[in-house]
Amino acid sequence: DAGITQSPRYKITETGRQVTLMCHQTWSHSYMFWYRQDLGHGLRLIYYSAAADITDKGEVPDGYVVSRSKTENFPLTLESATRSQTSVYFCASSEGRAGGYEQYFGPGTRLTVT
Amino acid sequence: GQNIDQPTEMTATEGAIVQINCTYQTSGFNGLFWYQQHAGEAPTFLSYNVLDGLEEKGRFSSFLSRSKGYSYLLLKELQMKDSASYLCAVLDSNYQLIWGAGTKLIIKP
Repeated sequence: DAGITQSPRYKITETGRQVTLMCHQTWSHSYMFWYRQDLGHGLRLIYYSAAADITDKGEVPDGYVVSRSKTENFPLTLESATRSQTSVYFCASSEGRAGGYEQYFGPGTRLTVT
Repeated sequence: GQNIDQPTEMTATEGAIVQINCTYQTSGFNGLFWYQQHAGEAPTFLSYNVLDGLEEKGRFSSFLSRSKGYSYLLLKELQMKDSASYLCAVLDSNYQLIWGAGTKLIIKP
């Protein structure tokens, strides 16, 4: 299917476990982003990538790791999950950052850390 | 610090008009976006303003005043399907999007 997809859609994990959230886009967009969304907060940028093998930290990168070996995939790994990482995670992609390039969002992954 | 302010919640009547305000203080400005987000779904793009003035797109319009650090989203002829959260986001000097917490719009029949 065309577009941007995320998996899993729902995940429950225990404190201390490693978990990886997957993101895949079919548009060949250069930029990809990971956000978390929590009640009372705006979307907060975790990491972003300008191209394959180029990643950079966002506002809240601690506890997360990303990689981008292929343009279409941008997985996010929580190395040792904590309860404070319970959130809804959105992946997004765009053709660029400057100007009016809109970001296209995946459906989100609802992660609960117990 | 960088800050985007929007009302937390607004209520309006079906068929009416509603204006959702957004004020911002950011390090630099390279444009302002409005997104719509239905409950449990992903945000979707509504509008982008980089110059002062009003941009109209069907029932939705977005206004920007850079000197005042202010924008609003105007929704006309409200429909029940417009019940959603509306997110304001500013592209700062580093081309990073700074997001407001969103305004939950409740439409009543």
